[in-house]
Amino acid sequence: DQQVKQNSPSLSVQEGRISILNCDYTNSMFDYFLWYKKYPAEGPTFLISISSIKDKNEDGRFTVFLNKSAKHLSLHIVPSQPGDSAVYFCAASYSRDKYIFGTGTRLKVLA
Amino acid sequence: SAVISQKPSRDICQRGTSLTIQCQVDSQVTMMFWYRQQPGQSLTLIATANQGSEATYESGFVIDKFPISRPNLTFSTLTVSNMSPEDSSIYLCSVEGQGSYGYTFGSGTRLTVV
Repeated sequence: DQQVKQNSPSLSVQEGRISILNCDYTNSMFDYFLWYKKYPAEGPTFLISISSIKDKNEDGRFTVFLNKSAKHLSLHIVPSQPGDSAVYFCAASYSRDKYIFGTGTRLKVLA
Repeated sequence: SAVISQKPSRDICQRGTSLTIQCQVDSQVTMMFWYRQQPGQSLTLIATANQGSEATYESGFVIDKFPISRPNLTFSTLTVSNMSPEDSSIYLCSVEGQGSYGYTFGSGTRLTVV
């Protein structure tokens, strides 16, 4: 039973355009969400987070949107840069000591 | 945030053997976590390692297959025992981040069992 789903395994975007990565979850008890970025041969690195009391959190080019009624969150990257090419994981938690991860979306930003 | 050194970075092992993965943190941490990422799958928590006590294993993972040591607040090992090709995965250790930063991960160990 996959509680956190990233239904798009890959995404290609032109440099300068917006990248939108999506994540759906099934457990309404989740109250904290994170996005991680992973380059090959490296561990995932934290990118941005959002708690369930908010519907938007922004950090530079990265914005995460949370729609609790739809149990959906998305990560927007504007403008996309070639260095953003990586695998992006969303993760959800209801206790902040255990996170459930999605399967990841491989983003390729084309120069 | 903490800096984690994990080794080996990769290994190719014969089935039936065991591999021990080491994780060193540059600061003292209460909990360390071991994850597995099988090909095309999500990161799955194997166990939580607390210093001075037995590790807590998630459903589907057992101590005989994945024994863990946590001798002090900066170090942990995970052993993958009696390996089979199904154990081929990336294994990652992690620690709690600071504030809202979730986990900090090591660079991972890519294990291939032949």
